[in-house]
Amino acid sequence: QVQMVQSGAEVRKPGASVKLPCEASEFSFSKYYIHWVRQAPGQGLEWMGVINPAGATNYAQTFQGRITLTTDTSTSTAYMELRSLRSEDTAIYYCARGFLDRMDLWGNGTTVTVSS
Amino acid sequence: QSALTQPASVSGSPGQSITISCIGTSSEFANYVYVSWYQHHPGKVPKLIIYEVDHRPSGVSNRFSGSKSGSRASLTISGLRTEDEAYYYCTSYRGGSTYVLFGGGTKLTVL
Repeated sequence: QVQMVQSGAEVRKPGASVKLPCEASEFSFSKYYIHWVRQAPGQGLEWMGVINPAGATNYAQTFQGRITLTTDTSTSTAYMELRSLRSEDTAIYYCARGFLDRMDLWGNGTTVTVSS
Repeated sequence: QSALTQPASVSGSPGQSITISCIGTSSEFANYVYVSWYQHHPGKVPKLIIYEVDHRPSGVSNRFSGSKSGSRASLTISGLRTEDEAYYYCTSYRGGSTYVLFGGGTKLTVL
């Protein structure tokens, strides 16, 4: 089945980092952009960044300096690392396959809770 | 910094049509051709319903349509159904730019 598979929930303390995987299933991973979007409790969707098939990245200004997107083509897995976590980073984090301007297949989301 | 402004909520009755607006505050938004819309039912995964202003992905109902005039993009849903009740988000990307921007989202209530 064509899908993006994300891992289970994560809990971190303030100041820590988290690295979330996103595995592509049943499609050619190397042809697509991979976006990361998050939704904090009670808030809307927020675009975080994108990595293109060549590995080049673009990040939202809000996350510049704290986020790194990477891919491992050998395992068709994308990763999003967010550092210096604070309570406001508590959210559901989605990866999504797509193109530069749109996301046509979304992962199931990973809940990250930042709490002391 | 540019932003996309959507109404917080809209409502309609089954069978009616509604339109959700997405207004770009940047003067450049009038030239954007990469406007997308997403449907998000709480607890579920967002779904792409419109891309490049007025294109529907395969499998998306033709009750959903998009348009754009100047700095205002619009999503119209015709023949409202109870299952259309969800949050709707517009996004934009400007060719040559390096970012994607989400609107604040609109909650659609089907009365």
